[in-house]
Amino acid sequence: DAGITQSPRHKVTETGTPVTLRCHQTENHRYMYWYRQDPGHGLRLIHYSYGVKDTDKGEVSDGYSVSRSKTEDFLLTLESATSSQTSVYFCAAGLDTQYFGPGTRLTVL
Amino acid sequence: SQQGEEDPQALSIQEGENATMNCSYKTSINNLQWYRQNSGRGLVHLILIRSNEREKHSGRLRVTLDTSKKSSSLLITASRAADTASYFCATDLIQGAQKLVFGQGTRLTINP
Repeated sequence: DAGITQSPRHKVTETGTPVTLRCHQTENHRYMYWYRQDPGHGLRLIHYSYGVKDTDKGEVSDGYSVSRSKTEDFLLTLESATSSQTSVYFCAAGLDTQYFGPGTRLTVL
Repeated sequence: SQQGEEDPQALSIQEGENATMNCSYKTSINNLQWYRQNSGRGLVHLILIRSNEREKHSGRLRVTLDTSKKSSSLLITASRAADTASYFCATDLIQGAQKLVFGQGTRLTINP
């Protein structure tokens, strides 16, 4: 997975709880991304980062926030998880070519 | 609305045959990329073709791009069971800030 790791790999949580997903990269990429993948929708961009402390919204950013305090780490937070946020979340890093992590399967009950 | 749309949504062929997948998009692009996703795994980059290129090869993969028709095709020759996966096209919009827009993918099954 080209030096991209995600944690946790699986998580089950309850509606209303905050959840933080972590993405870590070892290749010093400037750009990092968070996507969610759902049946019938393909991959949709949630947020992305173009440098430390520089982030911007993607297509489906409502209910999510991100932080990037170090080049290698990009955190995705669900402030108050809802059942509609049950999904598989992928982190990616890179410029022209994006390198993907293995994904986090999140279930919100 | 989806920028890239793959066709067909699913394709099943015999091992050794060629597989062709198509992608159509709506707005001008810098480049178009193809990714593969094995079940339960992250996406893996296969090939990138820039807007000023018409054809590109990588091993058994051949990608074409027709910017006048806003379409691309991915050809996998001499398919193998290991090629069974979902294939996604992704476009890098000229106006976008290094953001890719993915299609919904083609599910390819290679039968032994």
